[in-house]
Amino acid sequence: ELKVEQNPLFLSMQEGKNYTIYCNYSTTSDRLYWYRQDPGKSLESLFVLLSNGAVKQEGRLMASLDTKARLSTLHITAAVHDLSATYFCAVDVYGNKLVFGAGTILRVKS
Amino acid sequence: DVKVTQSSRYLVKRTGEKVFLECVQDMDHENMFWYRQDPGLGLRLIYFSYDVKMKEKGDIPEGYSVSREKKERFSLILESASTNQTSMYLCASSLTLSGRATDYEQYFGPGTRLTVT
Repeated sequence: ELKVEQNPLFLSMQEGKNYTIYCNYSTTSDRLYWYRQDPGKSLESLFVLLSNGAVKQEGRLMASLDTKARLSTLHITAAVHDLSATYFCAVDVYGNKLVFGAGTILRVKS
Repeated sequence: DVKVTQSSRYLVKRTGEKVFLECVQDMDHENMFWYRQDPGLGLRLIYFSYDVKMKEKGDIPEGYSVSREKKERFSLILESASTNQTSMYLCASSLTLSGRATDYEQYFGPGTRLTVT
């Protein structure tokens, strides 16, 4: 059974600081997704990572995938309040079935 | 843009009632999914469908059934609602499994918050 572990589960950080969210998974996969969810809203796709070594960047967020280590990271650079949300990683197993991590609640304090 | 819509944003039902949650996508996607979201557990897959009238169980199918009579519509049915089915339900769709890897990306609807009392 595939397990996806995110850490930390809760992250409170000051504006302007950098931090990394980690996503570890327990079985082979070369497709991993990062989603953002604002309170009361649905999931918004952030990044699609499709191969080992893939790196994607959008604004202050950068995601990477190491399939050999079964690890993805979401790096936040110079955080701003607008980045406050819950972030999920999801690993795509056979048949397009996604297994999600528990989510990381990010709060950026000014 | 892909649009996935769900019939209700909020729903309150009584224990034992039969509950229908409807999901519609407008991009001719082949695949559709139902998840439930609970705090600290992330999203868990209930059922999914690769084609009209096709369905497969996900990780937590007990107490649920689904129906897909038309390509654009995927319904989740709670045959006899129970309080432990109080949750946020999210529908998603993806284009196909036979194309590029990017076609696997799932797009989510706004969610239905169901409360069973």
